[in-house]
Formats: sequence, C-alpha cells, structure tokens
Amino acid sequence: DTGVSQNPRHKITKRGQNVTFRCDPISEHNRLYWYRQTLGQGPEFLTYFQNEAQLEKSRLLSDRFSAERPKGSFSTLEIQRTEQGDSAMYLCASSFTLANYGYTFGSGTRLTVV
Amino acid sequence: DAKTTQPTSMDCAEGRAANLPCNHSTISGNEYVYWYRQIHSQGPQYIIHGLKNNETNEMASLIITEDRKSSTLILPHATLRDTAVYYCIVRVEGNAGNMLTFGGGTRLMVKP
Repeated sequence: DTGVSQNPRHKITKRGQNVTFRCDPISEHNRLYWYRQTLGQGPEFLTYFQNEAQLEKSRLLSDRFSAERPKGSFSTLEIQRTEQGDSAMYLCASSFTLANYGYTFGSGTRLTVV
Repeated sequence: DAKTTQPTSMDCAEGRAANLPCNHSTISGNEYVYWYRQIHSQGPQYIIHGLKNNETNEMASLIITEDRKSSTLILPHATLRDTAVYYCIVRVEGNAGNMLTFGGGTRLMVKP
C-alpha cells in the first residue's frame, strides 16, 4: 500500500478555468476527506465521504466547489470558474470508520490560479 | 470541538527532548487530544492521541494533565527531520462531522 495518492501534485490554471483533482485513498479505508490549506494556515475541512455517500458538504467554500466519490474508491474535487483566491494546497485524507488512530493524508495538490 | 492554544514557534537542539505544550481548557469529557505534524510540502502526519492517560508510541509521548486542560507532546530525541509544524487538536471520537479542526500549530525548528 502506497498510502493516499493525489494527482496532480501541482496545477497552474488561468482564472475562470475549471480544474479537477483526484484522490486515491488507502484501499481498505471507507472514509475520505478533502481539506484546503492556504499559506501559513492549518488545513481547513471542506467535505467528506463514507463509501460513496457525501455526508458533509456544508463546508465547501462555494457552489463552485463540488466533490464526488462515485464507486466509493477514488474521489475527485472540482473547482469551476477558478478565482485567484482559490490558490491553495488541496489535501485529501482517508480513514477507516472504526480505526482510532487518526487519518492518513496525501501530499496534496498545489493549485495556482493566475 | 474544543479550541486549542499552542505557541507559534519553538526551537530545540538536535538530540534533546522537544516538549510541545497545548492548552485545551474547554475540553469536554468525551474529547480526545490528537497530535499531527506537517513537514514542509507534505500532508499532515498522525503522531499520537489520547483521552486521559499518558500515551507513548514509537514517535512520541503524550502527557495529559489530570484535569485534561492541557497536554504536552514529547519528542524524546529530536532530529533535524522533526522540523515541522505540530498541530494539537481535540475532537469527539465518532462525531457526525468527523472532521479535524486545525489551528495554527507550533512551528518547531530543530537546530544542529
């Protein structure tokens, strides 16, 4: 198991374009989380899934943000009509429901909107 | 989840113990104390967690005061690779949101 994998590692996009990030969790983990981290701040929770169900999405920053996990395995986070303020590190994490040892995070996707 | 307070930054000499404090004076009886760290350009990494008893694993020790209003993460022999931002988080295990709420953390600099 190689841990939580996120692709791409870096993304530069022009303002107004749509971007999509992918997260592959640890295979036996049924929970998957998305966080955003801006420079100098701690990660900020966005949304999470248990299997394919999105159980919390009220923290998504705007209706331009959406996430899917169609088969309960990998997940995608899409940002439509990107703005310069969307520039940040987008982190994915996974966990197993009954595990009591915390989450495993990926290395993140760094988005730069120019 | 209860709020935590940590020093913004700390220095530690290589090979010495690093003691990172965290205040969580409003912690509830069912909230655990978690520690994560984030090395530059990586995602946060789980270190340790506890409810009220002291805990130790291969990475660190966690000392929780008897009133549970504060805790200390101890890295017994800090190395240069321990330079990172350390986050103290308190949360209810199994709560509906199940999210981690990160504060600003402590930036630990291990110096040779």
